[in-house]
Amino acid sequence: GAGVSQSPSNKVTEKGKDVELRCDPISGHTALYWYRQRLGQGLEFLIYFQGNSAPDKSGLPSDRFSAERTGESVSTLTIQRTQQEDSAVYLCASSQTSIGEQFFGPGTRLTVL
Amino acid sequence: AQSVTQLDSHVSVSEGTPVLLRCNYSSSYSPSLFWYVQHPNKGLQLLLKYTSAATLVKGINGFEAEFKKSETSFHLTKPSAHMSDAAEYFCVVSDRGNAGNMLTFGGGTRLMVKP
Repeated sequence: GAGVSQSPSNKVTEKGKDVELRCDPISGHTALYWYRQRLGQGLEFLIYFQGNSAPDKSGLPSDRFSAERTGESVSTLTIQRTQQEDSAVYLCASSQTSIGEQFFGPGTRLTVL
Repeated sequence: AQSVTQLDSHVSVSEGTPVLLRCNYSSSYSPSLFWYVQHPNKGLQLLLKYTSAATLVKGINGFEAEFKKSETSFHLTKPSAHMSDAAEYFCVVSDRGNAGNMLTFGGGTRLMVKP
């Protein structure tokens, strides 16, 4: 596609529910990144995929967070048993190679009530 | 490990006056440094990047930044602000460790431009 897309653009959920966030990277981009942006703060790195593998999961804040990527394309970030502190904008980026420029999607704004 | 400090959370300038957004970094490696801009309700856009070539880097929309290793700084400047420059700006350093090209972001500087 023309750019990185993410869905949904907004998600409101109740504390304790599970949510799935989706990222469609630019076609052909082998590297995919997930970041979290809390209100008024910079981005925090969550996880990185090279192809379908995630060599570095060190940024995931807890075991309630998981992510997968299939077909070297779409990625989903799953948050189980959401908490209010999970409220943030979740951004996805992709790059053609592991050292290339990252192109960001518009983000998913998650609100946990 | 690397880190980025943006020294001002908010900067306010008048239209037509110079812009200076300050950034200091720390890195164990020869860093790659970036400035990204985020307009309201829009995605992050790369303004410019430094990757060990010329120390004065020119970006889009008239912005430029100078890499000063001795000061560990990468300040963003523009000679004359425009109303459309109002946005959030992030200074970013790249870590080429296990996480591919993991980006470490500063806390951001909100630029306000007064008419």
